[in-house]
Amino acid sequence: AQSVTQPDIHITVSEGASLELRCNYSYGATPYLFWYVQSPGQGLQLLLKYFSGDTLVQGIKGFEAEFKRSQSSFNLRKPSVHWSDAAEYFCAVASSGRGSTLGRLYFGRGTQLTVWP
Amino acid sequence: NAGVTQTPKFRILKIGQSMTLQCTQDMNHNYMYWYRQDPGMGLKLIYYSVGAGITDKGEVPNGYNVSRSTTEDFPLRLELAAPSQTSVYFCASGDNRGSEKLFFGSGTQLSVL
Repeated sequence: AQSVTQPDIHITVSEGASLELRCNYSYGATPYLFWYVQSPGQGLQLLLKYFSGDTLVQGIKGFEAEFKRSQSSFNLRKPSVHWSDAAEYFCAVASSGRGSTLGRLYFGRGTQLTVWP
Repeated sequence: NAGVTQTPKFRILKIGQSMTLQCTQDMNHNYMYWYRQDPGMGLKLIYYSVGAGITDKGEVPNGYNVSRSTTEDFPLRLELAAPSQTSVYFCASGDNRGSEKLFFGSGTQLSVL
């Protein structure tokens, strides 16, 4: 069965510092992987996704993630964090099955990011 | 452009009551989804629909029902509400034209007391 582990519940960084949020997945086939961000009181917004090809994917807001099959990881990174990046971040893997995998996602429990000024 | 609209934003129910969470989207998306988010947990898929008249169960469907009579609307019905259904509910939509991107509503906070 598919599963996603985000080992860090809460991370605090200073504004301007670099950021890495960890994500490990369990999936039998080639995974479809996603990172979503949730601001307080809002729905989720897609940051980036990996389906195939280049293992380093670029997303919105200056985020990137690297797929490492050997480590079953899909860590999210940003070189310099801004105060507006404070939010909750979710890693997700898409399930397989008939038709499109769109939306049939398994989410990690999330990592809450706090940014110090 | 409204996107995905959920109503109500907040609701308190008594045990055993029923209610319908409304979701509508104006992007002509075929695919629609209901998720629930419990504190400290990721989202779990309740039901989804790949088009009008077609629905299927997700990971946690028990205690819920859905219908999809139009492309725009995908209501979620709670029958005999239980405290375990206290959660934040998100509706999402997307298309299958290659983007694999979901658009989420802002959520419904439901408490069952």
